[in-house]
Amino acid sequence: SAVISQKPSRDICQRGTSLTIQCQVDSQVTMMFWYRQQPGQSLTLIATANQGSEATYESGFVIDKFPISRPNLTFSTLTVSNMSPEDSSIYLCSVGLDRGHEQYFGPGTRLTVT
Amino acid sequence: AQTVTQSQPEMSVQEAETVTLSCTYDTSENNYYLFWYKQPPSRQMILVIRQEAYKQQNATENRFSVNFQKAAKSFSLKISDSQLGDTAMYFCAFMNPDSNYQLIWGAGTKLIIKP
Repeated sequence: SAVISQKPSRDICQRGTSLTIQCQVDSQVTMMFWYRQQPGQSLTLIATANQGSEATYESGFVIDKFPISRPNLTFSTLTVSNMSPEDSSIYLCSVGLDRGHEQYFGPGTRLTVT
Repeated sequence: AQTVTQSQPEMSVQEAETVTLSCTYDTSENNYYLFWYKQPPSRQMILVIRQEAYKQQNATENRFSVNFQKAAKSFSLKISDSQLGDTAMYFCAFMNPDSNYQLIWGAGTKLIIKP
């Protein structure tokens, strides 16, 4: 497996502001993903963070709202821009190991937008 | 498109009992992976067990085992000798390795272990 950390663990933000979430892995990984988990729901994939190129976004998510950086094979950031209360969720990063056949998750960031 | 269905929104059992969580999926693929993840109140998503579709043998991890029925597209999780620490949301997930390793998730089952 891998040890994955996320910062911050939680935050309360005002609408209209932006928050950047960091994800750090203890080893180099090719595949890194960002998910959103709305209250009482399952996980929804936001995007795949690609090292050295632009992230690949899923339907319903756009780069202007959720810009992602992946400067190296151990680190990524997700920014939630121009936040509204609907963005209140848990945001999780994950990494793919064993040729992508297993995904391990960070502890998540609980975001509340007021 | 692949879908994953968990038909039990919530279950509760007494400590030390055995409990089985249901999961069915729909796919036309022959090569894929299935997973059970556990999410306790701490919200950490923990991989419990993995099953490769090409393996007939059911995966086991200590007290956790699966009943994989490929023809029926069923993938249930059995927890033996349940413990209070097993209280969590349990999610079933499907992966087609040809689709950029994207996980398709079920809605989850809330499992409560009562003392």
